[in-house]
Amino acid sequence: AAGVIQSPRHLIKEKRETATLKCYPIPRHDTVYWYQQGPGQDPQFLISFYEKMQSDKGSIPDRFSAQQFSDYHSELNMSSLELGDSALYFCASSLGTSGTGRYNEQFFGPGTRLTVL
Amino acid sequence: LAKTTQPISMDSYEGQEVNITCSHNNIATNDYITWYQQFPSQGPRFIIQGYKTKVTNEVASLFIPADRKSSTLSLPRVSLSDTAVYYCLVGDRGSTLGRLYFGRGTQLTVWP
Repeated sequence: AAGVIQSPRHLIKEKRETATLKCYPIPRHDTVYWYQQGPGQDPQFLISFYEKMQSDKGSIPDRFSAQQFSDYHSELNMSSLELGDSALYFCASSLGTSGTGRYNEQFFGPGTRLTVL
Repeated sequence: LAKTTQPISMDSYEGQEVNITCSHNNIATNDYITWYQQFPSQGPRFIIQGYKTKVTNEVASLFIPADRKSSTLSLPRVSLSDTAVYYCLVGDRGSTLGRLYFGRGTQLTVWP
């Protein structure tokens, strides 16, 4: 079965540089979520999109922005990178509360490991 | 949303049954309980979900007492590959937002 695709899988950047992470949700999924997981930490919600509109916003720094495109893929743009941005960034997609009968079951991608030097 | 509390870590041996209990004292009437599993450097994966009583699927069982202030994830006959972090999450069935709140999960280590 098709899964969530994230690219790149690994990314190394210098401080103050920019980075763009991409996410391709499972076909027909209408909601995309972004999570950040720092070393030894638990995943933290950043932002989500439903039908190409921002639906919720969590602890996302102002230096970060995201959008969902007409083909439902999403991009997380990160500027003025800091050492503390080094983390695993996960994208997840869902059908909301429809389809599977499970409330808000989210399917996570393999993640992008961002290292800021 | 109700805050969840789980043990930080648990150890088991292959073939044993493992029970991980999660406390959610302030769970609301509309809240459901979901467990996710996460292997190192991988995204979390849905395991099981329930609202009350007992739910069983091909990989685990979820026991929820009548007061719903706790829940127990039961993994039968664990193997080395069950070594992972397990997260207990509480969500609002009436919410359309959908963000998942990951608290401190339980690191389960299975030994040979």
